[in-house]
Amino acid sequence: AQSVTQLDSQVPVFEEAPVELRCNYSSSVSVYLFWYVQYPNQGLQLLLKYLSGSTLVKGINGFEAEFNKSQTSFHLRKPSVHISDTAEYFCAVRRIQGAQKLVFGQGTRLTINP
Amino acid sequence: EAGVAQSPRYKIIEKRQSVAFWCNPISGHATLYWYQQILGQGPKLLIQFQNNGVVDDSQLPKDRFSAERLKGVDSTLKIQPAKLEDSAVYLCASGSIRGGTVSGNTIYFGEGSWLTVV
Repeated sequence: AQSVTQLDSQVPVFEEAPVELRCNYSSSVSVYLFWYVQYPNQGLQLLLKYLSGSTLVKGINGFEAEFNKSQTSFHLRKPSVHISDTAEYFCAVRRIQGAQKLVFGQGTRLTINP
Repeated sequence: EAGVAQSPRYKIIEKRQSVAFWCNPISGHATLYWYQQILGQGPKLLIQFQNNGVVDDSQLPKDRFSAERLKGVDSTLKIQPAKLEDSAVYLCASGSIRGGTVSGNTIYFGEGSWLTVV
C-alpha cells in the first residue's frame, strides 16, 4: 500500500517570500507523484507531476517540485508567492503498474499575508 | 474541452434522509472515480469504475453508499440513510486508460458536491 505524509498542516508566509511545502511518501512499488491545488469552494487542479526523467519538474503558476528517491520526498517550492496562491495543497502518489488510483496526503493550507 | 461535471454543488439534508450525486466525466474517459473529502483531510477513494465495471470499492461503506455507471459514461453516487459523519465534499474524477496506464497520467477532478448532514 502507498501512503503520503505532508509534514505541515499550515504554512503562513508573507507575500513575495519563498515557500516550501513538504511531502514524503511510502511505497513498496514505483509510483508517480503529483501536487494538486484546491482553491476555496473549488475542486482539485493539477499543479505538476513527476513521471520519469529530470527530478526537477515545473508546473503552473511558477511552482516547481523536486523528486528525491533516496529520501522518498517530493517537496513543492515557489520562489515568490502571491496573495492568489492562498489555497490547500495536496501531494498524491499513484502506482505505475496496477491500481490507477491517487492516494493523497492530508493537505497543507498555505496562507499568504500581505 | 469540457471538464468533469458534477451536480448538485451543494446539498443540505437531515440525518437518515437520502441523497444522490451525479457526475459526467470528460468525454472518452473510461475510468471514473468518486472520492470523499472530509473537512481538513485529503480525499479518500470511495469507488473506481473502468467503463461500467467496478475496479475498486474496498473503502465504500456498502451498507449505506451505492454507486453505478450503467452505460459506462455518467455515474451516480447515492447515500441512504445519511449520517452526520457523511458531511463532506464528494469529488468525481476521470482519466483515460491506454496500455494499462492513465494516458498522460493525469486524473481530472470536478468541482465537487458539498454535502451537509444535520
